[in-house]
Amino acid sequence: GAGVSQSPSNKVTEKGKDVELRCDPISGHTALYWYRQSLGQGLEFLIYFQGNSAPDKSGLPSDRFSAERTGGSVSTLTIQRTQQEDSAVYLCASSLSKAGELFFGEGSRLTVL
Amino acid sequence: KQEVTQIPAALSVPEGENLVLNCSFTDSAIYNLQWFRQDPGKGLTSLLLIQSSQREQTSGRLNASLDKSSGRSTLYIAASQPGDSATYLCAVRVGTASKLTFGTGTRLQVTL
Repeated sequence: GAGVSQSPSNKVTEKGKDVELRCDPISGHTALYWYRQSLGQGLEFLIYFQGNSAPDKSGLPSDRFSAERTGGSVSTLTIQRTQQEDSAVYLCASSLSKAGELFFGEGSRLTVL
Repeated sequence: KQEVTQIPAALSVPEGENLVLNCSFTDSAIYNLQWFRQDPGKGLTSLLLIQSSQREQTSGRLNASLDKSSGRSTLYIAASQPGDSATYLCAVRVGTASKLTFGTGTRLQVTL
């Protein structure tokens, strides 16, 4: 596609429910990143995929968070048993190469009631 | 641990002024640095990418400089316009296979 596509754009869920956020990177981009932006906070790194290498999961805040990238393209971020502190905008980015320019999607705004 | 600081946190200038936004980082062994803008409720838009071997990059009215030895980058905006109003973020990458570490941004307002 022309840009990084994320869905849903908005998600409201109840505490304790599981959610899945989807990211479709720019075609041909080998690197994919997930970041989280909480209200009034900076961007917090979550996870990074590069080609067929093992992902860098060092930013995942707890074992309730997981992500996968199928076929080197689409990625899904899953949050299990959501908590109110998970409320944030989840941003996905991709780059052509492992150290290239990052292009971001519009984000998925998650609200946990 | 790489830390990125942006000063000022907020800035208001009248239309037409030239301005400079600052970005400082603690680990000077960076691979590259990228500047973004973020409009309210939107994702980040890439403005400029500077490789560690470069001293500056230009795109239209924007010019970004990089001084690795002092751990600083500046984003110069010439002849500011109301449409430049946004939050500007800088981000640094330490290695070739690592994440970007972001600053907390400078919120710019350009008034008529």
